[in-house]
Amino acid sequence: GENVEQHPSTLSVQEGDSAVIKCTYSDSASNYFPWYKQELGKRPQLIIDIRSNVGEKKDQRIAVTLNKTAKHFSLHITETQPEDSAVYFCAASSPPNTPLVFGKGTRLSVIA
Amino acid sequence: NAGVMQNPRHLVRRRGQEARLRCSPMKGHSHVYWYRQLPEEGLKFMVYLQKENIIDESGMPKERFSAEFPKEGPSILRIQQVVRGDSAAYFCASSPTGQYSNQPQHFGDGTRLSIL
Repeated sequence: GENVEQHPSTLSVQEGDSAVIKCTYSDSASNYFPWYKQELGKRPQLIIDIRSNVGEKKDQRIAVTLNKTAKHFSLHITETQPEDSAVYFCAASSPPNTPLVFGKGTRLSVIA
Repeated sequence: NAGVMQNPRHLVRRRGQEARLRCSPMKGHSHVYWYRQLPEEGLKFMVYLQKENIIDESGMPKERFSAEFPKEGPSILRIQQVVRGDSAAYFCASSPTGQYSNQPQHFGDGTRLSIL
């Protein structure tokens, strides 16, 4: 089955700097890769996702890149703000409508 | 369009009792997924259902746990004879039907189950 590894487990950045979180997956059949943001005591919120026919996707300060050959994908947050502080989870699944396999999460702290 | 609704938000049970967790998917969504989250850990898949059918229950313990998604009403995750190790946050997610590609899963606020 699919296995998703996520690094780093914790990340501290200064406000305004960029943050990068990386994930690797094991199943070459996986073709859908969402990222979720979870604040303390709240629900995971989908912030961006990418499908395997695309190498990069951007939404304002957030971007995701995918390297299918190497089986890894990354989340990039630019111009970080204190409200970006949360736990971020990557996930992977293969078609169609299959359950998500999550990484263990990255706790991002943005220091003002 | 209301989001995924879960209730109760918090549930306290004593060892040996039963816990029932409810999830109403977003309007128009026919796929429901249950995940469990332990403190400081990621989400672990438990079971995937469509109306009146269990599609994949590979992540659910064989004993004491069951799930259903009836034709009418919410999806129910049922835990019988609860033990302390069942204490966790249980999240439900739903997605619309995607015949050829995955559709985004949207999560509810979760039920935080505490076993005394």
